[in-house]
Amino acid sequence: QQQVKQSPQSLIVQKGGISIINCAYENTAFDYFPWYQQFPGKGPALLIAIRPDVSEKKEGRFTISFNKSAKQFSLHIMDSQPGDSATYFCAASRDDKIIFGKGTRLHILP
Amino acid sequence: DAGITQSPRHKVTETGTPVTLRCHQTENHRYMYWYRQDPGHGLRLIHYSYGVKDTDKGEVSDGYSVSRSKTEDFLLTLESATSSQTSVYFCAISERGANTEAFFGQGTRLTVV
Repeated sequence: QQQVKQSPQSLIVQKGGISIINCAYENTAFDYFPWYQQFPGKGPALLIAIRPDVSEKKEGRFTISFNKSAKQFSLHIMDSQPGDSATYFCAASRDDKIIFGKGTRLHILP
Repeated sequence: DAGITQSPRHKVTETGTPVTLRCHQTENHRYMYWYRQDPGHGLRLIHYSYGVKDTDKGEVSDGYSVSRSKTEDFLLTLESATSSQTSVYFCAISERGANTEAFFGQGTRLTVV
């Protein structure tokens, strides 16, 4: 049973474009929704996170949009750069557990 | 990386042998997690700990056991390794639990032949 569904699996974007990754969750008890970024050979690192009492959070070029009624949230990367090429994981947490999506491999064309 | 050391970083072992992976932290964080990462499956929670000697199962706990006798160390044991346990294993720590930032180690690549 996959509790957090992430799409697309892979994404290619031109430099300067907008990258959009979507996630959907099932359990309304989730109360924290982070996005992690992972470069090859490294562990994931927190990029940005949101709680369900807000609909949007922005940090620099990265924005999370959150739709509580639809049980969906998305990551937008504005002005995408080659250095943003990485794997991105959405996640949702409740109690003591963090559940991750399957990941999106993002490639930014120079 | 936030004071997390995983050992070994790479290991090749034979089917049926026991294997122990170690996660050591210097941050004094209460929560520690073991994940496995496989292509097409993302990160899946194996076991986690919410304090010394306090552990619980994750999504894919079958075939794995854990122990935490000290705040700083969280051990993952494969009692009898199988080829399906070939994976990259990540340890993570969190100060206040799942709804705060988790810090990940560099990972351990385990190959079971």
